[in-house]
Amino acid sequence: AQKITQTQPGMFVQEKEAVTLDCTYDTSDPSYGLFWYKQPSSGEMIFLIYQGSYDQQNATEGRYSLNFQKARKSANLVISASQLGDSAMYFCAMREGWDFGNEKLTFGTGTRLTIIP
Amino acid sequence: SQTIHQWPATLVQPVGSPLSLECTVEGTSNPNLYWYRQAAGRGLQLLFYSVGIGQISSEVPQNLSASRPQDRQFILSSKKLLLSDSGFYLCAWKILGQLYGYTFGSGTRLTVV
Repeated sequence: AQKITQTQPGMFVQEKEAVTLDCTYDTSDPSYGLFWYKQPSSGEMIFLIYQGSYDQQNATEGRYSLNFQKARKSANLVISASQLGDSAMYFCAMREGWDFGNEKLTFGTGTRLTIIP
Repeated sequence: SQTIHQWPATLVQPVGSPLSLECTVEGTSNPNLYWYRQAAGRGLQLLFYSVGIGQISSEVPQNLSASRPQDRQFILSSKKLLLSDSGFYLCAWKILGQLYGYTFGSGTRLTVV
């Protein structure tokens, strides 16, 4: 079964509008972390935001916020006031547990976001 | 400062040829190290990870192998490349015990012809 599901292969959004990228996850581990990365055409992976499973408040980083709904196992990324430079692939990822011997990130298939001027 | 180096940036190799991709980390010690592969237009698939020198865990059986001969060096290899080995290979590291802070290299785009 997929551990990270991103159901939007591609999205087109008008510049300056807000955009929500969907991510659902599946884990039975009570301790986990959720990440969002941006991958521009250059291929580099740029860390955007992190949410821990025990964090009470939604994470925010500038124009990025993570809408964390634990009961629904959902961790959507919200980008406010989108810019042309936001056009890229966006990946949701999960780290399960805190087992030093098995700590790793599992990624979703990504969403290609295109900002339209 | 902590940095990660990955080379080469691009590589075109014939089918059946060997492969060696190298990743080194600076400014830290005893990191967890990871090799991911990204097929065209797809997500990242974890291939190998290592928690210490000589310790390699394989996530997906395949035509590739990994080695960690030194604390901050991680090598991805193949004896004979297949067409299906084409993709974008990313190395990453993380300090044990941190909640987040995975850092990725700039990647190697491998085309097997």
